Amino acid sequence: DTGVSQDPRHKITKRGQNVTFRCDPISEHNRLYWYRQTLGQGPEFLTYFQNEAQLEKSRLLSDRFSAERPKGSFSTLEIQRTEQGDSAMYLCASSLAHPDQPQHFGDGTRLSIL
Amino acid sequence: QKEVEQNSGPLSVPEGAIASLNCTYSDRGSQSFFWYRQYSGKSPELIMFIYSNGDKEDGRFTAQLNKASQYVSLLIRDSQPSDSATYLCAANSGGYQKVTFGIGTKLQVIP
Repeated sequence: DTGVSQDPRHKITKRGQNVTFRCDPISEHNRLYWYRQTLGQGPEFLTYFQNEAQLEKSRLLSDRFSAERPKGSFSTLEIQRTEQGDSAMYLCASSLAHPDQPQHFGDGTRLSIL
Repeated sequence: QKEVEQNSGPLSVPEGAIASLNCTYSDRGSQSFFWYRQYSGKSPELIMFIYSNGDKEDGRFTAQLNKASQYVSLLIRDSQPSDSATYLCAANSGGYQKVTFGIGTKLQVIP
């Protein structure tokens, strides 16, 4: 079963460093989403793609965050000049392109900023 | 105002009882509603989704939707200790597939 795959599972880095996460969606899903989740909160929407097009980006997302999905398959999320407040679980989800279709999540990447 | 509201709990129920988890949403354009289960340190796992008013049953789980009251609920029958987790309610924005999550309700099933 090829579910949503995220890499790495954990990332520990020093403040100020850049980090990049990868997400491989379920193969037939053309929509891909990134979320951030902190302790005691629900997943917070960051951005989503339909195929290679980035259709929406959260207003909460600073310019230090960028996401790509160059060939409409896997996606990367980069955080530049990391800050303490970036410590969180970064979740990727994918779905078919229909409002009724549920999203399926990967295992997430836990980011810890020292 | 949060778009999807849930009581954070914890909700404690004895083993074998019915657990009732509730959620309200503010966007009247929302058409699809989802329940996810999340164990501590893990990612959300889809349990059920519902689009139409009324009840939808799947095994021990029943989702209920009342669009007039903007209310969604999840009932878990014969609760088991393995059901202890945080349950996230989510709603889409009408016409889009952006999904907004509540903060989740922590359920504790006491053996």
